[in-house]
Amino acid sequence: QKEVEQDPGPLSVPEGAIVSLNCTYSNSAFQYFMWYRQYSRKGPELLMYTYSSGNKEDGRFTAQVDKSSKYISLFIRDSQPSDSATYLCAIGKAAGNKLTFGGGTRVLVKP
Amino acid sequence: GAGVSQSPSNKVTEKGKDVELRCDPISGHTALYWYRQSLGQGLEFLIYFQGNSAPDKSGLPSDRFSAERTGGSVSTLTIQRTQQEDSAVYLCASSFDRGDNEQFFGPGTRLTVL
Repeated sequence: QKEVEQDPGPLSVPEGAIVSLNCTYSNSAFQYFMWYRQYSRKGPELLMYTYSSGNKEDGRFTAQVDKSSKYISLFIRDSQPSDSATYLCAIGKAAGNKLTFGGGTRVLVKP
Repeated sequence: GAGVSQSPSNKVTEKGKDVELRCDPISGHTALYWYRQSLGQGLEFLIYFQGNSAPDKSGLPSDRFSAERTGGSVSTLTIQRTQQEDSAVYLCASSFDRGDNEQFFGPGTRLTVL
């Protein structure tokens, strides 16, 4: 069993819809939670970073962490075709330490 | 400001040759990470440098892989006697210090071993 599980998709949604992404993890030692966006042939771009249970909002993006269930989510409101990319969850056990990544979910927002 | 830069962007080599990949972290970032991204394996940690501390090499897949970080800045990842299974995108990331887990990635080096 992988430490971090993420549905590979693809997830196809119409423009303007809410995109819902999630990851589950197995080790309660994980304390830091991140979401990255990766366009084809580009490096991952940090979208959201949190280290506590609850919600964190930034513009159209909301990250949600439930440590008791070992479940993290990312919601994208008012999705745009430019949001079409692969979204990676990344989890760390301690500050300044290596990240463990989910396999990524490919998202396609259709105009 | 300038982000993490990597060179070359693409590298094609023959099986058995050695390759060197370079990473320039964001200025002022003391932590530097190498990851590998390949089909079917996702993004895997390779090695981590933090200041003058001994690097965490726990992710290096074999002794053919090594990395250096000179002067606390630029890093070079070396793969000796390359194999076809080494073909992947090699990504470098940096972060500000030990108390910060926000890692910023470079564009990667796409390595193809023929």
